[in-house]
Amino acid sequence: QKEVEQNSGPLSVPEGAIASLNCTYSDRGSQSFFWYRQYSGKSPELIMFIYSNGDKEDGRFTAQLNKASQYVSLLIRDSQPSDSATYLCAVLNSSASKIIFGSGTRLSIRP
Amino acid sequence: DADVTQTPRNRITKTGKRIMLECSQTKGHDRMYWYRQDPGLGLRLIYYSFDVKDINKGEISDGYSVSRQAQAKFSLSLESAIPNQTALYFCATSDPERGGPETQYFGPGTRLLVL
Repeated sequence: QKEVEQNSGPLSVPEGAIASLNCTYSDRGSQSFFWYRQYSGKSPELIMFIYSNGDKEDGRFTAQLNKASQYVSLLIRDSQPSDSATYLCAVLNSSASKIIFGSGTRLSIRP
Repeated sequence: DADVTQTPRNRITKTGKRIMLECSQTKGHDRMYWYRQDPGLGLRLIYYSFDVKDINKGEISDGYSVSRQAQAKFSLSLESAIPNQTALYFCATSDPERGGPETQYFGPGTRLLVL
């Protein structure tokens, strides 16, 4: 079992709709959770982080964390073509020694 | 100017050659990392360093070595390059004491092709 798992996609969402990206992790003691966006050929950039159960909103983005289910998600409201990218879920492990990345979900927003 | 820089940005080399990828940062962060990215496999950690005297292996350190010459510089070496080391390599930095949760800041990447 991978430490951090994501569906590779591609996930195709119409413009203006809500895109929902999911991630599960295996280390129950994991402390912090991150979503990075990576455009093709570019480096990852942080969108959001969350470390408490529940929802955290930032503009069109909402991160959701459920530690009991070891599940974290990212919702993108009013999806735009510029949101088309690969989204990487990352988890800070229980010993806080390193961050483990998922393999990413490729999101495509169709006009 | 970019906070995290990597040189070279692209490199083509032959099997058996020794090459070095360099990373420099002006963010003043103590922690530095080297990742490789392959299609479908995401980012995998090669080595990380929490300060100049601290070097740790990541999940895929075989065939690689690193040097932390200073707080700002962290180099990755391939002692004898092989074709399956063809990948996109990223350097990253972080400093949890300053920015809260451990946000990683990535360099622009080095695309390496081993023939």
